[in-house]
Amino acid sequence: KAGVTQTPRYLIKTRGQQVTLSCSPISGHRSVSWYQQTPGQGLQFLFEYFSETQRNKGNFPGRFSGRQFSNSRSEMNVSTLELGDSALYLCASSSQGKETQYFGPGTRLLVL
Amino acid sequence: GQQLNQSPQSMFIQEGEDVSMNCTSSSIFNTWLWYKQDPGEGPVLLIALYKAGELTSNGRLTAQFGITRKDSFLNISASIPSDVGIYFCAGLYAGGTSYGKLTFGQGTILTVHP
Repeated sequence: KAGVTQTPRYLIKTRGQQVTLSCSPISGHRSVSWYQQTPGQGLQFLFEYFSETQRNKGNFPGRFSGRQFSNSRSEMNVSTLELGDSALYLCASSSQGKETQYFGPGTRLLVL
Repeated sequence: GQQLNQSPQSMFIQEGEDVSMNCTSSSIFNTWLWYKQDPGEGPVLLIALYKAGELTSNGRLTAQFGITRKDSFLNISASIPSDVGIYFCAGLYAGGTSYGKLTFGQGTILTVHP
């Protein structure tokens, strides 16, 4: 089985722009979770999607949003980018959302 | 945000030595997971633990799910240079609406000297 894939792997944006990141889960997995990883805050949960519905959300501002498609692929969007949004964004998939999660390679976002 | 307390923060060891790291939490978890992350990559699952008291091995790695469900440890025996990386513990609470949310430790940076 192919693992979790994320695109793009690297992005450079400027403040005020918006960005969309994509995640394709392991085949058969219907739950996709997103995390932000920074040196200062570590790995922080953003949100989780299952069957195109957001079921759980972390403590992030509304500029961070996501969606899931009928094939379980997921996207996350960050609007009005700030310097502090520079981070490694990781997605992880699991079967139903309450089991072991498998991570993708991440998207490294740099905001200038 | 909430994090697990993972220790030690870093370790410098000689090749061949054994390593031990642990995580504690004020909350209970239904699942404990241990991941290894290389620079610029996503975390890779090492061991998954599903029951309190469970002891599981994966090659040179051994991990245990604490009886109180609030702690876990990971041991690496006979370390080798490719063990270098950052090790994370993560807890998953499966109750209520806690879907898909892993809570992570701060990580243990492991350096192995040949």
